[in-house]
Amino acid sequence: QQQVKQSPQSLIVQKGGISIINCAYENTAFDYFPWYQQFPGKGPALLIAIRPDVSEKKEGRFTISFNKSAKQFSLHIMDSQPGDSATYFCAASSGSGNTPLVFGKGTRLSVIA
Amino acid sequence: DGGITQSPKYLFRKEGQNVTLSCEQNLNHDAMYWYRQDPGQGLRLIYYSQIVNDFQKGDIAEGYSVSREKKESFPLTVTSAQKNPTAFYLCASTEAGRSTEAFFGQGTRLTVV
Repeated sequence: QQQVKQSPQSLIVQKGGISIINCAYENTAFDYFPWYQQFPGKGPALLIAIRPDVSEKKEGRFTISFNKSAKQFSLHIMDSQPGDSATYFCAASSGSGNTPLVFGKGTRLSVIA
Repeated sequence: DGGITQSPKYLFRKEGQNVTLSCEQNLNHDAMYWYRQDPGQGLRLIYYSQIVNDFQKGDIAEGYSVSREKKESFPLTVTSAQKNPTAFYLCASTEAGRSTEAFFGQGTRLTVV
């Protein structure tokens, strides 16, 4: 049973456009929702994260939108650049349950000029 | 610089052999994790450890073993019982007790020949 569902699997966006990746979760005990960025042959690196006490968090061109009632969260990349081409993973964990991060299956983003 | 070091970067194994992947961290983190990454499958949890001399199975522990004799080290052994060991293996660490950023190593790509 997949605890975090991520879509789409792949995404092609024009340079300067907006990239949107969505995730949904089932476990209401989750209280930490990070997004990781991974380049080929490298380990994932934290991009941005949110906790359920806020509905949106913005860092530069990257924004997380969080909908607690719908149990969904999304990553928006504004003004997408070719350098943003990578695989993006959403994840979730529970501090109260001290559970490890559970990851979505990933979205391969390609930003074309 | 603080971080996680995985070695080797590439590893080739003959069928029937056990191999051990190294993971060392100098972040003074209590918790360490092993994930397996296959194309289109995201990151799946193999084993994790929240304290020295203790570890728990993840979702796909069969055919793997770990030890946690030191806080800084969490080696993973891929045994001959693992039927499909060819994959990209990622080690991560976090502070224990709350949901926080996971830091990843650069990964080990294991190929069975």
